[in-house]
Amino acid sequence: NAGVTQTPKFRILKIGQSMTLQCTQDMNHNYMYWYRQDPGMGLKLIYYSVGAGITDKGEVPNGYNVSRSTTEDFPLRLELAAPSQTSVYFCASRPLGDSPLHFGNGTRLTVT
Amino acid sequence: ILNVEQSPQSLHVQEGDSTNFTCSFPSSNFYALHWYRWETAKSPEALFVMTLNGDEKKKGRISATLNTKEGYSYLYIKGSQPEDSATYLCASPNAGNNRKLIWGLGTSLGVNP
Repeated sequence: NAGVTQTPKFRILKIGQSMTLQCTQDMNHNYMYWYRQDPGMGLKLIYYSVGAGITDKGEVPNGYNVSRSTTEDFPLRLELAAPSQTSVYFCASRPLGDSPLHFGNGTRLTVT
Repeated sequence: ILNVEQSPQSLHVQEGDSTNFTCSFPSSNFYALHWYRWETAKSPEALFVMTLNGDEKKKGRISATLNTKEGYSYLYIKGSQPEDSATYLCASPNAGNNRKLIWGLGTSLGVNP
């Protein structure tokens, strides 16, 4: 199993540009999550999904959109990039029950 | 929304020292307590998921205990090694929605050779 795969690893965007961060998992996990991590701020939940076709907002959803058309894929869309979205983004998944999260390797995004 | 707090924020120990840190969480409506290890420039990796009061789990030199009545968990590292240097995160599901984890800010551990 590849686990949780995120692409790209790094990206630089100009203000106002859009992009999609890709996340796919091959473990048939029901739950998938997008977090951002800012220095000194810990992990903040952007969006999460409990299964295909179902998504819900986390703590910091503004400026982002997600979709979950399949169990495997959970892309995160930035429509109008802003400097405040400069961060490291982590995708994670887990199965049902009290199971741990499996994280992708992260995407470092800079908006200038 | 519950608060998950960790202490200390950071600490440095010498190789061979044993150390421990604390995660505290509201004890009402407890579901589970997660511990993760996060090395610099990598992604968090799960250490333990604990659900039962009094539970103790062990993985090599790392162990954890859980007290759900008073709302705390301890993580212990025996005989610290430089490769143990990392940030240790704890998290607990939101009491109103156990699908979402609420994260502490972590304890940053540095082990000097």
